[in-house]
Amino acid sequence: AQRVTQPEKLLSVFKGAPVELKCNYSYSGSPELFWYVQYSRQRLQLLLRHISRESIKGFTADLNKGETSFHLKKPFAQEEDSAMYYCALTGNAGNMLTFGGGTRLMVKP
Amino acid sequence: DTGVSQNPRHKITKRGQNVTFRCDPISEHNRLYWYRQTLGQGPEFLTYFQNEAQLEKSRLLSDRFSAERPKGSFSTLEIQRTEQGDSAMYLCASSLGQGYETQYFGPGTRLLVL
Repeated sequence: AQRVTQPEKLLSVFKGAPVELKCNYSYSGSPELFWYVQYSRQRLQLLLRHISRESIKGFTADLNKGETSFHLKKPFAQEEDSAMYYCALTGNAGNMLTFGGGTRLMVKP
Repeated sequence: DTGVSQNPRHKITKRGQNVTFRCDPISEHNRLYWYRQTLGQGPEFLTYFQNEAQLEKSRLLSDRFSAERPKGSFSTLEIQRTEQGDSAMYLCASSLGQGYETQYFGPGTRLLVL
């Protein structure tokens, strides 16, 4: 069985502060990990994926297989980063996505 | 807008009624997925199609739920004899090809069963 856990429902930081959104997973094979973001009144969209090893909008995420984690980080939060963030994994040839419960990030001015 | 579209965007129905939702994927995408999202939770996988073939169904998809993709293009999700517990956001996504291709989501259909 595959499972994704995001321990924080809400994360509130001030503008310019570092941000880390936690994601832990369980999967017996080699998963592909994703972060999806949903801005207010917009659809769910891909932020970044492990396989691409990209930095998108200043966000990065490192897959730690030993700790089975894929935490999302940004050194300096911006107000426009306020959104719902979902960690997700797919494990079997890119079929279903298993999502975590989401973390709402609020960046205060 | 060439993204994934879903209709209707909102649906209010009475318990026991049948409802049908439609999803139009991005035109060249051969994979189509349905998810359900309840308040405060992340999306949960329901089923997916590769072209017109329904390849996987979640245990969440009870016998009251049926999905089709008759010509490998748009898809419909029907819920028969709706229950209050069916109230949720129903999301559709599509992707190109196989493997770890990005899934592109539609805006969702919000269902409220009274």
